[in-house]
Amino acid sequence: DAGVIQSPRHEVTEMGQEVTLRCKPISGHNSLFWYRQTMMRGLELLIYFNNNVPIDDSGMPEDRFSAKMPNASFSTLKIQPSEPRDSAVYFCASRTGVTEAFFGQGTRLTVV
Amino acid sequence: GNSVTQMEGPVTLSEEAFLTINCTYTATGYPSLFWYVQYPGEGLQLLLKATKADDKGSNKGFEATYRKETTSFHLEKGSVQVSDSAVYFCALANSNTGNQFYFGTGTSLTVIP
Repeated sequence: DAGVIQSPRHEVTEMGQEVTLRCKPISGHNSLFWYRQTMMRGLELLIYFNNNVPIDDSGMPEDRFSAKMPNASFSTLKIQPSEPRDSAVYFCASRTGVTEAFFGQGTRLTVV
Repeated sequence: GNSVTQMEGPVTLSEEAFLTINCTYTATGYPSLFWYVQYPGEGLQLLLKATKADDKGSNKGFEATYRKETTSFHLEKGSVQVSDSAVYFCALANSNTGNQFYFGTGTSLTVIP
């Protein structure tokens, strides 16, 4: 299995631009998580899906952030418009049942 | 609710020293407990896990025992190496709350030769 695949690995964008981060979970996993990691705030859960349905999006910072999971093999996290304070590493993770979560390599986002 | 409290870092140890990173949790029911490790520039990797009380998880010389009476899951290693330098996260998953994952704040470990 290729594991959780995130793209792009690095993204540099200008303030105000739209950014889309992508995630392909491990086949057969039914839960998907989006996390954000910064030095100041550590690892924060943004949103998680169960069977493609958003269950808890209370960690999404504001309306500029949105996430979708149109099918079991793909999810996106979109930031529109992006701001410098959105600069962070964004991780996607997937799991099934009560097993451990498997993490992708992350997308390092820099907004200038 | 569910939460994980982890020992504050950073921790600096000499090679071959004994390591303990404390982790305590709050949860209803019978959660599963995990330790993850994050090496610089990488994602989080599962280090070990325990799914029921008194279980001991172990991997790469690290171990942790699920103690329900003290609600703890402390990470230990008898002799650390420079290659163990990383950030360690304690985590909890609880089927009572929709299988969400709860992470501690992470503990940075640096091992010096």
